Amino acid sequence: GAVVSQHPSRVICKSGTSVKIECRSLDFQATTMFWYRQFPKQSLMLMATSNEGSKATYEQGVEKDKFLINHASLTLSTLTVTSAHPEDSSFYICSAIRTSGSYEQYFGPGTRLTVT
Amino acid sequence: DAKTTQPPSMDCAEGRAANLPCNHSTISGNEYVYWYRQIHSQGPQYIIHGLKNNETNEMASLIITEDRKSSTLILPHATLRDTAVYYCIAKSNDYKLSFGAGTTVTVRA
Repeated sequence: GAVVSQHPSRVICKSGTSVKIECRSLDFQATTMFWYRQFPKQSLMLMATSNEGSKATYEQGVEKDKFLINHASLTLSTLTVTSAHPEDSSFYICSAIRTSGSYEQYFGPGTRLTVT
Repeated sequence: DAKTTQPPSMDCAEGRAANLPCNHSTISGNEYVYWYRQIHSQGPQYIIHGLKNNETNEMASLIITEDRKSSTLILPHATLRDTAVYYCIAKSNDYKLSFGAGTTVTVRA
């Protein structure tokens, strides 16, 4: 199967600091990765589409300067939450699509971010 | 992508089949029906997808009506580990997935 990992699984940070979340495709190459955010009792909301070697495409309302995305290789995308605030506390989930093959998205286990 | 409508919640008995309905009356000809599920505090898991024909895999069966305006996901023998939020998504073969509210399925012993 296709495995996607995220690190860390949980992180607590202080307001004003930055936090980096990694998303890795472990057994396949992923040209495209996605970052989602999920608040308690709500559904997943797409934040941005990350393409290897190019700039990420952000959904409307998502601040690109606050949520920095880097997709430097075919197996790694990172999301950095800059100057985090308590309202950024959420469950962040990445997904990846194989470079070749079908369009199924394979999701990571998620990262629980708590900003104090 | 076409809008989908699912019941907000349903209960089912362990060991019985669970039938999860989804309406997608405005689905277009090139849009597939995808099903994902999300167990609490985990990332979503792909279940199955189809275009016109019924599909079956090791997890579930997908029954799509002839007019493609609705579909049913069938979990043949529900277990307690199938308790999750199930999402029905209609999308064309681009990459984006739009998650609605889904159906919260609770399997009871």
